[in-house]
Amino acid sequence: AQSVTQLGSHVSVSEGALVLLRCNYSSSVPPYLFWYVQYPNQGLQLLLKYTTGATLVKGINGFEAEFKKSETSFHLTKPSAHMSDAAEYFCAVSGGASNTGKLIFGQGTTLQVKP
Amino acid sequence: DSGVTQTPKHLITATGQRVTLRCSPRSGDLSVYWYQQSLDQGLQFLIQYYNGEERAKGNILERFSAQQFPDLHSELNLSSLELGDSALYFCASSPEAVGVANEQFFGPGTRLTVL
Repeated sequence: AQSVTQLGSHVSVSEGALVLLRCNYSSSVPPYLFWYVQYPNQGLQLLLKYTTGATLVKGINGFEAEFKKSETSFHLTKPSAHMSDAAEYFCAVSGGASNTGKLIFGQGTTLQVKP
Repeated sequence: DSGVTQTPKHLITATGQRVTLRCSPRSGDLSVYWYQQSLDQGLQFLIQYYNGEERAKGNILERFSAQQFPDLHSELNLSSLELGDSALYFCASSPEAVGVANEQFFGPGTRLTVL
């Protein structure tokens, strides 16, 4: 079975500060890992994904994440927060090439950016 | 705009009723996923269809059913509605059922309110 744990349901940072959103996963098969962002009253938008290969993944809007197999982690970072980054962020896992592709989501982390 | 459309955007109905939610995937995508987002359960996978066939089932209640039509649009049918079914229902689509290409694109969702 697969699962995702996002540490911290609410993270608050100042504009210009580092953003760090934590995600740990559990998977019995090599995972595919994703970060999605959800703005108020909108659907989910893919920020970045890890499938295979390079463990440091760059996404849209200046976000990146690093897959660390030994720590079963896939934390999302951004060097400098912008007001427009305020949203809810979801980490998700799927089972890779052998699975159906269904996504298992974490509970989400709401990012607040203070001026 | 993800290219995935969902109708209606909002739906208000009474307990015991039946509703149908509709999803049109991105052009060329063969796989459709349904997810439920609620405050207490978070984002949960319900069901997946691939090219008209059911591919995977998640935490979908027996009162719920879905299908994918030859033109690849999908419908999610919810019957004998209960207050606890109030949630945001997302449809997502992807080119394939599994594998590296399986980035899922989410629609804007249908907000269901059961009174």
